Parts: sequence; structure tokens; C-alpha cells
Amino acid sequence: GAVVSQHPSWVICKSGTSVKIECRSLDFQATTMFWYRQFPKQSLMLMATSNEGSKATYEQGVEKDKFLINHASLTLSTLTVTSAHPEDSSFYICSARRHQNTEAFFGQGTRLTVV
Amino acid sequence: GQQLNQSPQSMFIQEGEDVSMNCTSSSIFNTWLWYKQDPGEGPVLLIALYKAGELTSNGRLTAQFGITRKDSFLNISASIPSDVGIYFCAGQRSNFGNEKLTFGTGTRLTIIP
Repeated sequence: GAVVSQHPSWVICKSGTSVKIECRSLDFQATTMFWYRQFPKQSLMLMATSNEGSKATYEQGVEKDKFLINHASLTLSTLTVTSAHPEDSSFYICSARRHQNTEAFFGQGTRLTVV
Repeated sequence: GQQLNQSPQSMFIQEGEDVSMNCTSSSIFNTWLWYKQDPGEGPVLLIALYKAGELTSNGRLTAQFGITRKDSFLNISASIPSDVGIYFCAGQRSNFGNEKLTFGTGTRLTIIP
């Protein structure tokens, strides 16, 4: 199957700093990538849809100025958590889908801890 | 955002038992997907269903796309230790490439020694 890779797998940062998470599709071009957040023992909640070459579409309640998404190429999308706070600590997961293919493949996730 | 209702929330079974779980929605989805998530990992796709009434197998796993397009079922036969994890259903309204997934609440499967 397709491979989607996230980096880093985990990160610890201080409050007030920014953290960038990368999501790469390794063996296919992804015109659309998705970013999810998952709190412990909960399901995945979609944060935003990232479209190559255009602005991301954010879900209701997700601050676009806090969670900056850039999809500059067909194989890379980045999520930057700006001015991180402890409540931003969570498991962030991306997924990517081949154009016209319904199956979404997920990255391994990034555990963010803000101290 | 919307979530799909999965039941049961958790299951405690013995190795070798069969497992059944389901996922229901108040609205129609045209694609149903089942994922498994291990601790600290992203979800891995198990089965994809594209047509109402479709019954699809993947080894010991069998999933069905409900006729009403508002539900789906996943069965695991003869469970083994590596089946432990959280199972999520996901629905998609259309087959367009940028269509988002709506996830279920999850079913946590534990095997009792």
C-alpha cells in the first residue's frame, strides 16, 4: 500500500514556542492531505483539509492562525502549531489520498507535548 | 464535528473467539472504511466498502456495507493476540478525492489471557 510518513514521531516543546510537523507521501502524489487531532482514548477529529497549491480548509472551531498548514508540493504538507500551549498537547495525524482514489492512508502520528 | 456511533465501546474476549462490532450514522455515506489503530500509531486501513449491501473479506475480517447506507459491520473470526487495538469505522459521502472522512467513536478490543 501507499506510504505516508510523518516527522517527527514525537516532540516536546515549551509553551509559547512553535512546532512544525511534516507529512510526506513517499510513493505517490497527493493533491489532498488531511490533518487530524486525537486526544487520549478519543477518536480522530479532522482539523483541516490541505490542498496542494491553495489554502487549507479548516473545520469549524479550528483556529487557522494557530494551526498553520502549508501544502507546497504534491508530496509534502506541514502543520505548524504556533504559540503552543499545554492544551495543544495531543496526537496529530495526517493522511493522504491519491487523486481520485478513495482510500486514505495515514501517517504514524506525532505526539506533541507542550510543557 | 459529526462522529459515527460505534458499538460496543470496548470488548474483552478470549483468544479464538469471534468479534462483531458495528457503526451507525444518522445520515447516508457512500463509502465505508474500517481502520485499526495500535497505541501510538496512525490508523491502518483494513477494509473498504463502496456499494450498499457489499460484503467484503480480508483474511479473518469481514465487513458489510448496510443496505440503508447508514451502517456498517465488522466481524473478526478466531481472534488472535495481534487483533488487540482500537477499531474505527469511517464514512465518506462521495468518492471525490478531497472528500473528508468522518470517524466513528472507536471500539477497543482486548484479549483476556
